[in-house]
Amino acid sequence: DGGITQSPKYLFRKEGQNVTLSCEQNLNHDAMYWYRQDPGQGLRLIYYSQIVNDFQKGDIAEGYSVSREKKESFPLTVTSAQKNPTAFYLCASSIVGGDNQPQHFGDGTRLSIL
Amino acid sequence: GESVGLHLPTLSVQEGDNSIINCAYSNSASDYFIWYKQESGKGPQFIIDIRSNMDKRQGQRVTVLLNKTVKHLSLQIAATQPGDSAVYFCAEGDTGRRALTFGSGTRLQVQP
Repeated sequence: DGGITQSPKYLFRKEGQNVTLSCEQNLNHDAMYWYRQDPGQGLRLIYYSQIVNDFQKGDIAEGYSVSREKKESFPLTVTSAQKNPTAFYLCASSIVGGDNQPQHFGDGTRLSIL
Repeated sequence: GESVGLHLPTLSVQEGDNSIINCAYSNSASDYFIWYKQESGKGPQFIIDIRSNMDKRQGQRVTVLLNKTVKHLSLQIAATQPGDSAVYFCAEGDTGRRALTFGSGTRLQVQP
């Protein structure tokens, strides 16, 4: 089955530590996205990539970094500079970049602070 | 900034009844709208979408209505079932923007 796989499902971070969340898709989609979801709130865009080797900051990029070396993969690193990292992180993809088509989501990674 | 919002944070309905979830948007340039369903601990799941050249679109047990005059979007679920219990998000986009803008969601509770 084609889809988006996020791992791990749960992740714990110590103070001062960087952690990396994995996102892999086999849908042959060009565009990929990272969102943050806090309890009772909507999704906020962290980073997006419309094509391999290119990515752009979203609304809340501070304290996060990404790479897009392969079409299938768009890992997100939560750095120690992100002072409030506890949240549910969602990765999505779409056929091409832009906002007038469906985005398909993975099942998320829940990040907590130890 | 412009945003997408929802009128009702929680909607409780009886099994078998029809449900209507509402969404207001403020960006008059928006030309694409989409509804997602999110179950606890999972990612949002696509339900149905509609473009601004339409005012109604039907899927299996779901209908989306778009009123561009008052910038209002609704999702109707027919014969609501317990499996429909979830949080429902609307999202909007306009040509040239980088990604969809999401609302904060409405929780649908189906009572048996």
